[in-house]
Order: sequence, then C-alpha cells, then structure tokens
Amino acid sequence: GQNIDQPTEMTATEGAIVQINCTYQTSGFNGLFWYQQHAGEAPTFLSYNVLDGLEEKGRFSSFLSRSKGYSYLLLKELQMKDSASYLCASYNFNKFYFGSGTKLNVKP
Amino acid sequence: GAGVSQSPRYKVAKRGQDVALRCDPISGHVSLFWYQQALGQGPEFLTYFQNEAQLDKSGLPSDRFFAERPEGSVSTLKIQRTQQEDSAVYLCASSPAPGSGRETQYFGPGTRLLVL
Repeated sequence: GQNIDQPTEMTATEGAIVQINCTYQTSGFNGLFWYQQHAGEAPTFLSYNVLDGLEEKGRFSSFLSRSKGYSYLLLKELQMKDSASYLCASYNFNKFYFGSGTKLNVKP
Repeated sequence: GAGVSQSPRYKVAKRGQDVALRCDPISGHVSLFWYQQALGQGPEFLTYFQNEAQLDKSGLPSDRFFAERPEGSVSTLKIQRTQQEDSAVYLCASSPAPGSGRETQYFGPGTRLLVL
C-alpha cells in the first residue's frame, strides 16, 4: 500500500500548540485528510487539503505541500479533550490510505 | 439526523465460525467503504461500493471475505471460517457522492470482532 508516515505518539501541555507531521506518496495523489479518533470511537473528519497552503478552521489548521508529499496538522490552545489519535489519510489512485495515527497526550 | 450505524458492536466468534457484519449508511449516501483497523493501527481499506456496485474489492485479504450492498443502502461484510488474525475493528464509512477523494467520509462506530 501507500506509505503514510506520522509520529507514533506526542505529548503536549494544555493551552500549548502542537504540530503533527505526515508524509505521503505523491504518485496518483488527489487529496489529504486529517481525522480525529478517540479511543474506542469512530474517526471524525477534521480537515481536507488538495492544494498547497494552509487551511484554517478554528483551533485546527492543516497545511499541504504537494511537491514535498508533506502535510501537518496544527492544534492551538490545546484542551484536555484533544487527547486522541490523529489519522492522516491520503487519496491516491482513487483509494484512501490511512497512517497508523499519532496518539496525542495532553497534560494539565 | 442519524449517522452511520453498525451492528453488532461486539462479536466473539470461535475459529472457523462464519460472521456477518452490518452497516447502515447515512440515508442517500452513494459511496460506502469498509475498513479493517487492527489495534494501534490506522484503518486499512477493504472494499468500496458506489450504490449497489462493488467497484473496488482489492483490499479484501482473502476469498473468505465477501461484501454486498444489494439495494444500494445497507451493506453486509461476511467473513467465512474466521481465523484469529481476523480479530480487529471493522469500520464502515459512507459519503454523499461518488468517490472522487474530495468528499468527507462519515464513519460508523465499528464492529469489534474477536476470534478465539
């Protein structure tokens, strides 16, 4: 399958900013998604990028560089409820490929 | 409105048993996806339906896995002669339009399958 690379786990402090990086394969690429998944629950949609640049949506922003096969999810003003796994997914050759997820631990 | 629902939420099966997992997508959604998610991993694509047509089944791990969506709404994923390696969460997702990669997928809560 397509290789999606993202860090396994990150820890950050409540109120801080955290950036979760993701690299993906560029061949056949046609979109990059970020999902949030709390333990034992379904993934929920956070953001979508297909063009280069930054998409901002409240406390969450997502960036894409198509030439580098790189994206990041930026979470600002972290809250305890942001503790979850964050899944990067790319759409290549008409199929969705998910990374293993980055488990984010938010500490008081 | 109602989201994607899946049943059963939990299933324990003895090795060799057949199981059937059901997905009720959001009403009117054209696209339906099945994924397998192992513990600590991201979802892995199994199969994709556009209405009743199964357009991609390349992710089904073996011929023991079979999926159908006969009327273009409810879908069933069937696993025959279950093996321990089939233990995982099976997620269903739907989206309103034909898959072009631009539509958000709405996920169900998943069925957690444990094969003993």
